[in-house]
Amino acid sequence: DTGVSQNPRHKITKRGQNVTFRCDPISEHNRLYWYRQTLGQGPEFLTYFQNEAQLEKSRLLSDRFSAERPKGSFSTLEIQRTEQGDSAMYLCASSTGLAGQETQYFGPGTRLLVL
Amino acid sequence: AQSVTQPDIHITVSEGASLELRCNYSYGATPYLFWYVQSPGQGLQLLLKYFSGDTLVQGIKGFEAEFKRSQSSFNLRKPSVHWSDAAEYFCAVGPEGTNAGKSTFGDGTTLTVKP
Repeated sequence: DTGVSQNPRHKITKRGQNVTFRCDPISEHNRLYWYRQTLGQGPEFLTYFQNEAQLEKSRLLSDRFSAERPKGSFSTLEIQRTEQGDSAMYLCASSTGLAGQETQYFGPGTRLLVL
Repeated sequence: AQSVTQPDIHITVSEGASLELRCNYSYGATPYLFWYVQSPGQGLQLLLKYFSGDTLVQGIKGFEAEFKRSQSSFNLRKPSVHWSDAAEYFCAVGPEGTNAGKSTFGDGTTLTVKP
């Protein structure tokens, strides 16, 4: 068990470019969450997968955002046509066990800066 | 809608002193409550969680929290703070809607430890 990993750790891009982040959860964790965290605030829920199924998307997730979890293993979060307001830390977490009572294990995050 | 308030943005304590971080929540039913710690450059780590039963919950690293339904509070305490406890602390409440694993986070309290 090597924990949740996220790549890249840092990403600087120009406004209008597309970016993709990857999350590798703890193996055999069936649930995977994406959060966004801006400076001075707590994490905000973006989306959630149970195995390969994307079960919920936040209203924060505009049409420019898309997430996938093929085969129920790693997940990718893509942001198209990035805007300066997308600058934030993007966190991934995985879990298993009784829904709601499970421990979510967080990755170190990907910090995005849009210039 | 559920919400979490952490009234103290920043707290400074001396090493060896006791610590209490406040958390107030708004939730329509019996909540699941969590405290997380986030060190610079790292993801969130779960300190403790409450679902039911004994209202005094023990966690890792010597932390404890007490659920007080009448006050809608879930304050985090530690009897003697160590320099390594300096970090940002987040309280969270869930579940939200039908997504049992979805929590709402507070905006965090930054802890500084003086030598």
